[in-house]
Amino acid sequence: QKEVEQDPGPLSVPEGAIVSLNCTYSNSAFQYFMWYRQYSRKGPELLMYTYSSGNKEDGRFTAQVDKSSKYISLFIRDSQPSDSATYLCAMLGSGEYGNKLVFGAGTILRVKS
Amino acid sequence: NAGVTQTPKFQVLKTGQSMTLQCAQDMNHNSMYWYRQDPGMGLRLIYYSASEGTTDKGEVPNGYNVSRLNKREFSLRLESAAPSQTSVYFCASSFGQGVDTIYFGEGSWLTVV
Repeated sequence: QKEVEQDPGPLSVPEGAIVSLNCTYSNSAFQYFMWYRQYSRKGPELLMYTYSSGNKEDGRFTAQVDKSSKYISLFIRDSQPSDSATYLCAMLGSGEYGNKLVFGAGTILRVKS
Repeated sequence: NAGVTQTPKFQVLKTGQSMTLQCAQDMNHNSMYWYRQDPGMGLRLIYYSASEGTTDKGEVPNGYNVSRLNKREFSLRLESAAPSQTSVYFCASSFGQGVDTIYFGEGSWLTVV
């Protein structure tokens, strides 16, 4: 079983829709939760991160963490074609790999104009 | 603003050949990383270097070697390439470890035939 599970999609939505992207995880030691955005043929870039449970908002993006359910979400409001990308969740792990990020497989998002 | 620069961007190798992927960062970061990205697998850590002069194995180190040449440069070597090493390779760097933002290069597409 992977430590981090993420539906690969693709997820196709019309412009202006609210998008929900999700990850589940198994390691209860994760404390920091990140979302990266990756455009085609580019490296990932950090969108936002949260610590422990709760919500964090940044413009049209909201990250949500529910540690009791081991479930994290990224919501995108008023989605735009420029949001079309692969979104990867990542979590700060411990254990044998030290404090290293563990990534989900990524969800492909397509926003249609 | 160069950030993290990787070379080459594309390479085709025959099974058994060797090659080195080069990476340099100009952000005065202490930590550097090599990841591979495969469909459905997300980003997996191959090796990392927490600081100049140190290197450690990540999740998938077999078949690879690394060298932290100086603070700026971190190379990844495939001594005897195998088809299973066909992947997209990303170099990354961060000031520290843990929640420090990791900056990725644009990737190197490697095909082993």
